[in-house]
Amino acid sequence: GAVVSQHPSWVICKSGTSVKIECRSLDFQATTMFWYRQFPKQSLMLMATSNEGSKATYEQGVEKDKFLINHASLTLSTLTVTSAHPEDSSFYICSALLLLNEQFFGPGTRLTVL
Amino acid sequence: QKEVEQNSGPLSVPEGAIASLNCTYSDRVSQSFFWYRQYSGKSPELIMSIYSNGDKEDGRFTAQLNKASQYVSLLIRDSQPSDSATYLCAAPNQGAQKLVFGQGTRLTINP
Repeated sequence: GAVVSQHPSWVICKSGTSVKIECRSLDFQATTMFWYRQFPKQSLMLMATSNEGSKATYEQGVEKDKFLINHASLTLSTLTVTSAHPEDSSFYICSALLLLNEQFFGPGTRLTVL
Repeated sequence: QKEVEQNSGPLSVPEGAIASLNCTYSDRVSQSFFWYRQYSGKSPELIMSIYSNGDKEDGRFTAQLNKASQYVSLLIRDSQPSDSATYLCAAPNQGAQKLVFGQGTRLTINP
């Protein structure tokens, strides 16, 4: 199957700092990637759709200036959480789109903001 | 009505039995449907994709799609304790690339 990696797998940061999370498709090219957030015992929440070479499309209620997404190549998308606060602590998961709408998920990044 | 609905469970099945997970969807345009498995603390893993009416089998898993009834199901035969997880049903949102997920069904296989 298609492999998607994320880095880092977990990060702890101080309030007010920025954190960058990388999402890579390892064995295929992904024009489109997605970023999700999941709080404990809750459903996946789509944050934004990332398209290579163009601006990301954010879901309603997601602050684009706070969650910066860059999809500079066909195998890499990054999510930067700017000025992170404790309420941003969550499990951030990316996925990459393959053929026929199949999405393959990365292993996720657990962010803890102190 | 939610776009993709699942019984949130929990669903408890004895080891070796068949686990049956159900999902309904509201968008008649949807042509593809997916089942993901998510272990606690992990990200979702794609286990089945189905695009046409009928059954699709892959090992112990069988996906069933009925577009007329807007219903998709997942059967797990010979259930194992390692099948204990939350199972997510998903379909594209109004023909777009992004997926709409059901709330997930928590499945527990009892040894």
